[in-house]
Amino acid sequence: GAVVSQHPSWVICKSGTSVKIECRSLDFQATTMFWYRQFPKQSLMLMATSNEGSKATYEQGVEKDKFLINHASLTLSTLTVTSAHPEDSSFYICSARRLAGVAETQYFGPGTRLLVL
Amino acid sequence: GESVGLHLPTLSVQEGDNSIINCAYSNSASDYFIWYKQESGKGPQFIIDIRSNMDKRQGQRVTVLLNKTVKHLSLQIAATQPGDSAVYFCAENRRPGTASKLTFGTGTRLQVTL
Repeated sequence: GAVVSQHPSWVICKSGTSVKIECRSLDFQATTMFWYRQFPKQSLMLMATSNEGSKATYEQGVEKDKFLINHASLTLSTLTVTSAHPEDSSFYICSARRLAGVAETQYFGPGTRLLVL
Repeated sequence: GESVGLHLPTLSVQEGDNSIINCAYSNSASDYFIWYKQESGKGPQFIIDIRSNMDKRQGQRVTVLLNKTVKHLSLQIAATQPGDSAVYFCAENRRPGTASKLTFGTGTRLQVTL
C-alpha cells in the first residue's frame, strides 16, 4: 500500500497562536512531500513542495515565513502555521511521492481541518 | 492562464448506470494524468492514472481515456454504486521530468441516486 497519515485530523485554535501539522508516509519512503490547502467546495491548491534535507519550495503568493515547512526524514514532513488568523482556517492536505514506482504519483493524507477563532 | 478544468460541476447518475466525468486540460506538454476521488472531509484517493503515450487504461470498474488531439481526459465508472458518490478531480503533471507538481482541476461532484 501507500498510506499517508496526518496529525491532528482537526484543530481549533485562538488567533495569534501557531499550529503544527504532521504528515507521515507509513509504509514507504518519500523524498518529496507536498502541502495543499483546500477551501470549501474548491479544488486543491498547492502551497509548497517539501524536500527531505533541503528547503521547501513555495508557490507564488504563499508566505514562507507564515507557513513553515520541515522535512527532517524520509517519512515525516511538518507544516507550522505561525500566528494563525481566521483567514487561515482551511483544510490542509499533504501528499507524498514514492521513491519507487511511478514518480509522479502522489498519495494523499486524510487532511487536517484548521479552525482559527 | 493554463488550467485543468471540468465541463460539469455536478453529475447525477442512477445506481447501476455508467458514469462519465470529463476534464479538459490546456498544457500540451503535460505527460501524466491522474484521477482522484475525494469524499467529504477526507483526502483525495488515487483512482487511476495514464501517461500521454497511452489513450486508454482500465482498472477495476474504471476506465480513463485520453485524447491528446483535443486535450481531453475522461473517467468512466461502470455500474455506478452509491459508494462512488464523491467529488472527482483530474490532475495533470505539467512539468515533465522535473519536480512533477500536480495541478488539479476544479472537480466534479458525482451524485448516485437509488
